[in-house]
Parts: sequence; structure tokens; C-alpha cells
Amino acid sequence: NAGVTQTPKFRILKIGQSMTLQCTQDMNHNYMYWYRQDPGMGLKLIYYSVGAGITDKGEVPNGYNVSRSTTEDFPLRLELAAPSQTSVYFCASSRYQSSYNEQFFGPGTRLTVL
Amino acid sequence: GESVGLHLPTLSVQEGDNSIINCAYSNSASDYFIWYKQESGKGPQFIIDIRSNMDKRQGQRVTVLLNKTVKHLSLQIAATQPGDSAVYFCAEMNNAGNMLTFGGGTRLMVKP
Repeated sequence: NAGVTQTPKFRILKIGQSMTLQCTQDMNHNYMYWYRQDPGMGLKLIYYSVGAGITDKGEVPNGYNVSRSTTEDFPLRLELAAPSQTSVYFCASSRYQSSYNEQFFGPGTRLTVL
Repeated sequence: GESVGLHLPTLSVQEGDNSIINCAYSNSASDYFIWYKQESGKGPQFIIDIRSNMDKRQGQRVTVLLNKTVKHLSLQIAATQPGDSAVYFCAEMNNAGNMLTFGGGTRLMVKP
């Protein structure tokens, strides 16, 4: 299994541009998550999904949108990029919703907005 | 608000010594904690977890201790190796099991 894969690895955007960060998992996990990590900080949850067709906001959802049309894919959309969205974005997945539930992380997408 | 945090931003240890990374949490209702290791340019990697009904859990060269009285969590790494150099995060799972709250991270540097 490839696990959780993310594309692109790096991207530079101009203010106001839009883009989609791709995330795919091949572990048949129901739960998927998007986090952002600012320099020297821990991860903050942007959005999560408990299954195809179901998404919900995390701690910092403003400026982002998500969709979950399939079990495997969970793209993150930035409509009007702002410098505050410069960060490293991590996608994760897990099998179950429970308190004891390991999340597997992708390698990240480093985004710079200038 | 509720938070999970770390005491030390950087820890430097000699190869072969033991390392201890600390974490404080504020939500006394939390019942599941996870330690992650993040190497440069990579996503977080699960190391070990512990439930609130336990005080201690051991893995291979790693031990997590939980003190619910003072809401403190620690990660102990025995015989620290250069490959252990990374940033370590503690994370707290909410009761619904759908949201991890991460602390700010501690950078572990292993000197040869």
C-alpha cells in the first residue's frame, strides 16, 4: 500500500489565486483529515470527513473548502489565496471513529502565498 | 480554552543517553493521548499512545507516562540514537474521536 499520498509537494501562489491540494489513501479508511502546520507549531485541523459525502469543519476552516466524493480522495480547495495561508498542509486518514484511533499522515504539501 | 502544550522547545542529548520530553494538558476529561515523531520534510509518525486508565505504557525503547493528577504526559526514549533526532508532538484526542489537538512540539537533537 502507498498509504496517504499528497500532491503537489510544493506550490507557490499569488494572492487571490486558487488551487486544489490533492489527497488520496489506499487503505480503505473511512475517516480523512486536513491539517495545516505553521513554522515551529503543531498541527491544526482544518476539515475532516467521516465518509464519502460527509464533511465537517475543524478548528481553522475559514478560507478552505473540501469535498469527499469517494472513499479514497479528499481534496482541499483554496479559493482566494492569502499570505496567512502560507503553511505546510498534511492530509491524514484513519479507519475508525473512536477515541483510540491512529491517524496515518501523508508527506505534506508546502504552500507559499506571495 | 483547552490546550495541549510542551515545556521545552529544544532538547539536546548525547547519543546513548536517555531523553525525556514533557507535555502538559488542560482538559481533565481527555482520555487518549498520542506521541508523534516528525522528521524534517515528513508528516507526523505515530510512536506510542496511552489511555487515561493507564499510568504507563512501554514500546520499543519508548515509554509514555501519564500523571492525571497534574495533567502531565511524558515520553521517555532509552539509549537515544541519531535517528531519534526529530520534532516530537503530543496530541490529545477529543471524546468524539474525530479531532486531535496538537501541542507546539519539542525538537530533539542527538549529539554523536
